[in-house]
Amino acid sequence: GENVEQHPSTLSVQEGDSAVIKCTYSDSASNYFPWYKQELGKGPQLIIDIRSNVGEKKDQRIAVTLNKTAKHFSLHITETQPEDSAVYFCAASSGLSGGYQKVTFGIGTKLQVIP
Amino acid sequence: EAQVTQNPRYLITVTGKKLTVTCSQNMNHEYMSWYRQDPGLGLRQIYYSMNVEVTDKGDVPEGYKVSRKEKRNFPLILESPSPNQTSLYFCASKGTGAKNIQYFGAGTRLSVL
Repeated sequence: GENVEQHPSTLSVQEGDSAVIKCTYSDSASNYFPWYKQELGKGPQLIIDIRSNVGEKKDQRIAVTLNKTAKHFSLHITETQPEDSAVYFCAASSGLSGGYQKVTFGIGTKLQVIP
Repeated sequence: EAQVTQNPRYLITVTGKKLTVTCSQNMNHEYMSWYRQDPGLGLRQIYYSMNVEVTDKGDVPEGYKVSRKEKRNFPLILESPSPNQTSLYFCASKGTGAKNIQYFGAGTRLSVL
């Protein structure tokens, strides 16, 4: 089955600096890679995703890159703000036409943005 | 408002006493899924359903059952709970198509004594 490794497990950055979280996956059939943000006491919320036919995607201060050959993908947050403090999860999934079957998550990264 | 509703939010029970955690979504989504979240292990998929009467195992299905008799509901059943099922559980749903995203419920914290 799929195995997703995520690192670092904790990350502290100064406000305004950039944060990078990296994930690797094992199953070459995986074709959809979402990133989720989980705030304390809440369920995960999708913040950005990327499909295997795209190498990079950006949404304001957040970007995700995908290297299919190396089987790794990364989340980049620029100009971090205190409200970015949360736990971030990467995930890998396979499915046809945007379908969604088995989903494998990384263990999560606790990001702390220091004001 | 798009919602995935889980009940109860908190539950303390004893070993062997059957329980059901309900999950309902109001978005007419075909796909629904259950996850458990444990410290140091992230989120692990228990079961998922691609549509009514279609369910399949995730990575950690042992000790759990699910059913999908209606599109909006996807209950998680623990026939004989054990302490190792103490965890935080999340239900999620997603529509088909590339533009649909997965929505999570607020979670159910279960303690099995």
